[in-house]
Amino acid sequence: AQSVTQLGSHVSVSEGALVLLRCNYSSSVPPYLFWYVQYPNQGLQLLLKYTSAATLVKGINGFEAEFKKSETSFHLTKPSAHMSDAAEYFCAVSDYKLSFGAGTTVTVRA
Amino acid sequence: NAGVTQTPKFQVLKTGQSMTLQCAQDMNHNSMYWYRQDPGMGLRLIYYSASEGTTDKGEVPNGYNVSRLNKREFSLRLESAAPSQTSVYFCASSEVGSGTEAFFGQGTRLTVV
Repeated sequence: AQSVTQLGSHVSVSEGALVLLRCNYSSSVPPYLFWYVQYPNQGLQLLLKYTSAATLVKGINGFEAEFKKSETSFHLTKPSAHMSDAAEYFCAVSDYKLSFGAGTTVTVRA
Repeated sequence: NAGVTQTPKFQVLKTGQSMTLQCAQDMNHNSMYWYRQDPGMGLRLIYYSASEGTTDKGEVPNGYNVSRLNKREFSLRLESAAPSQTSVYFCASSEVGSGTEAFFGQGTRLTVV
């Protein structure tokens, strides 16, 4: 079964600093990969997805992720953090069902 | 657009009580899912339904049953609630195909005392 591992359960960044959230996947075949965001007391919202069309994927709110097959990684980045980016972020992989990582909580310091 | 609608939003149960969580989607999706979210564990799949009339177990099915009533509705039942089932439950739906986005409801916060 396919799975993902998120490195770091909590990340704290200063406003304006780089946001980097790490995700590694385990898959015997090219995977479908996703990043979702969850704001407090809300459901999950799709940030971006990788479906093999391009290795650098751009998403909403200035986020992007790069698929690296050699490293089995799909890390999420944003060049400049904003206070509104404070949320929990989930990496996910899909075969016939969607499986999630444990999540990374991002806090942004003023 | 309503998307995925879950009811209720909050519920407190006593140990041993039963209840059904309701989920409906208006996007004509074939696949529907139930997840539970616990701190530090991400979202774990309880059951899913790839199409109307079919259901399959996910990672943590024990203590739960599901019904895919029709294409729109997918309910989750707790027959005899236990404190370990205290969690936030999310329903989701997607179109068939592994590369498709899943859409989530707002969640049901369940406490079993």
